[in-house]
Amino acid sequence: AQSVTQLGSHVSVSEGALVLLRCNYSSSVPPYLFWYVQYPNQGLQLLLKYTSAATLVKGINGFEAEFKKSETSFHLTKPSAHMSDAAEYFCAVRKGGSYIPTFGRGTSLIVHP
Amino acid sequence: DAGVTQSPTHLIKTRGQQVTLRCSPKSGHDTVSWYQQALGQGPQFIFQYYEEEERQRGNFPDRFSGHQFPNYSSELNVNALLLGDSALYLCASSHDRVGETQYFGPGTRLLVL
Repeated sequence: AQSVTQLGSHVSVSEGALVLLRCNYSSSVPPYLFWYVQYPNQGLQLLLKYTSAATLVKGINGFEAEFKKSETSFHLTKPSAHMSDAAEYFCAVRKGGSYIPTFGRGTSLIVHP
Repeated sequence: DAGVTQSPTHLIKTRGQQVTLRCSPKSGHDTVSWYQQALGQGPQFIFQYYEEEERQRGNFPDRFSGHQFPNYSSELNVNALLLGDSALYLCASSHDRVGETQYFGPGTRLLVL
C-alpha cells in the first residue's frame, strides 16, 4: 500500500523567507509524486509533478521539489515566500500503473508580513 | 478552454435526504474521479468512472453511487445522508493514460444538518 506523510500541519514563515514543506512517501514501486495547492474555498491546483524524468522538478509560482529515493522524500521549496503563497498544500503519491493518487493530510502555509 | 466545472457550489441537506452532485470534465478528458474532503483533511478517493463504468472504488459505502454520461460528464449520488457526509466534494478529470495528471474542479460544499 502506498501512503504519504506530510510533516507539520502548519508552517509559518515571514514574507521573503525560505519555504520548506515536507513530504515522505511509502510505495513498493517507483511512484508518481505530486504537489497541489488549495486556496480557501477552491479546488486543488497542480503545482508540480515527478514522473522519473528528473529528480529536481520545477513548478509554477516559483516552487520546486526534489525527489530523493534514498530518503523517500519529495519536499517542496520556494526561495522567497510571498503573501499570496498562503494556502493549504497537499502532497500526493500514485504508483506507476495506478490511476488513483493517495493524498497527505495537508500543510497549511502561513506567511507573515 | 473551460476547466473542470461542478454544480452546485454549495448545498444544505438534512439527515436522511439524498443529494446529486454534477461534474463536467475538462475538454478532451474522458476519465472522472470523485473525492471527499472533510474539513482539515486531504481528499479521499470515492470512485473513478471511465467509459461510463465505475473502474475503481475507494473505501466508501454503497450509499455513494455515481454515473458517467456519454459526453463524459458525471454525477455523484449520496443516499440516506449522515451528518458525517458534510464535506467538500471534488471532481477531477484526466485522460485515460498512465501518468496523466488529474485536474480538479472547485468542489461542491455539502452541509448535512
